[in-house]
Amino acid sequence: GQQLNQSPQSMFIQEGEDVSMNCTSSSIFNTWLWYKQEPGEGPVLLIALYKAGELTSNGRLTAQFGITRKDSFLNISASIPSDVGIYFCAGLEDRKLIWGLGTSLAVNP
Amino acid sequence: EPEVTQTPSHQVTQMGQEVILRCVPISNHLYFYWYRQILGQKVEFLVSFYNNEISEKSEIFDDQFSVERPDGSNFTLKIRSTKLEDSAMYFCASGGTRLNQPQHFGDGTRLSIL
Repeated sequence: GQQLNQSPQSMFIQEGEDVSMNCTSSSIFNTWLWYKQEPGEGPVLLIALYKAGELTSNGRLTAQFGITRKDSFLNISASIPSDVGIYFCAGLEDRKLIWGLGTSLAVNP
Repeated sequence: EPEVTQTPSHQVTQMGQEVILRCVPISNHLYFYWYRQILGQKVEFLVSFYNNEISEKSEIFDDQFSVERPDGSNFTLKIRSTKLEDSAMYFCASGGTRLNQPQHFGDGTRLSIL
């Protein structure tokens, strides 16, 4: 089946730094989503990408859908302590989401 | 902002017992989903539901599992005879009014099988 690989697995950064994380797929998705999960909570939708090459921002977050539809990156600018959490990419295929394993982000104030 | 609510937040059950996990999706949405996340593993799709029937289900969703939308508001996942390996976080998702819209998740039910 389709697999999503996220990198890096974890990041530990200083407050104020920019962050970049990636997600690659073994095959094509038509819709790509980025979620954030904090302890004890469900995944919260950050950004949805629908078109190859699309670049979308949500506040300090920016995500791009790769031209090949097999990859995406998520950037966070000027990180703050509340950015802490696990960031998941997910590809939407036939009504179901295929998930990556997540990138765990820790921010040192 | 409308949200998906799940109850209970934590369910502890003896192996072999039946459990029902409850979800109230976003009110005007038509597409509903259940996912699970075993500790330390990725989120896995279980089942999608539309127009009062299952649209798609994964290999995990065997005969022990069932879903129901009994009253137009609640969306439930039932596990008939729980096994130890059913221990996981179970997430309900509400997926909009058209196919393939982004899915919005509840905070999950932590199911612990003893």
